[in-house]
Amino acid sequence: DARVTQTPRHKVTEMGQEVTMRCQPILGHNTVFWYRQTMMQGLELLAYFRNRAPLDDSGMPKDRFSAEMPDATLATLKIQPSEPRDSAVYFCASGLVAGPQHFGDGTRLSIL
Amino acid sequence: TQLLEQSPQFLSIQEGENLTVYCNSSSVFSSLQWYRQEPGEGPVLLVTVVTGGEVKKLKRLTFQFGDARKDSSLHITAAQPGDTGLYLCAGATPGAGSYQLTFGKGTKLSVIP
Repeated sequence: DARVTQTPRHKVTEMGQEVTMRCQPILGHNTVFWYRQTMMQGLELLAYFRNRAPLDDSGMPKDRFSAEMPDATLATLKIQPSEPRDSAVYFCASGLVAGPQHFGDGTRLSIL
Repeated sequence: TQLLEQSPQFLSIQEGENLTVYCNSSSVFSSLQWYRQEPGEGPVLLVTVVTGGEVKKLKRLTFQFGDARKDSSLHITAAQPGDTGLYLCAGATPGAGSYQLTFGKGTKLSVIP
């Protein structure tokens, strides 16, 4: 079965450090989503791309977060500088337009 | 802002019991999806309902979309320990060239053997 691959699976770092999370979408999928999951807020959409172009990043704090798709096989989400409130599980999902979203297993991020 | 309220937030039942979880909103969605998420993994899609009043069955799971497409329910018959997990509903709305999902916070189900 094709899967969305996210790396790293776990990341612990200190406040102020840069964090980069990577996602390899399923081959052939043209839509990529980044979500953040916390106990308090649940799953929140941060940004999504279609055909590598950013369509909506209104859910993302612009001052410290950035999302890119350098090519069709890689999506990145960066936080700089990181803060303790960024601690969460970050999920990437991919799909086809109007089709189901397939989620990776997430990056569990802890900012000390 | 579109919100999806899920209830109950937590549910612990004995194996063999039936249960229903609810997903409610004041907004209309073009479709509604149900996911199950297990610890350390991402959500996995169970079903998509599109038409108001639609009922879909997946083995012991029955999903219903409200007539007005604002709410949905998931009924599990004779729950098994393997049904344990976080159940998430997500409403889809058309976005710029794609669609966006608004997720509820989930119902955490524990089925005790």
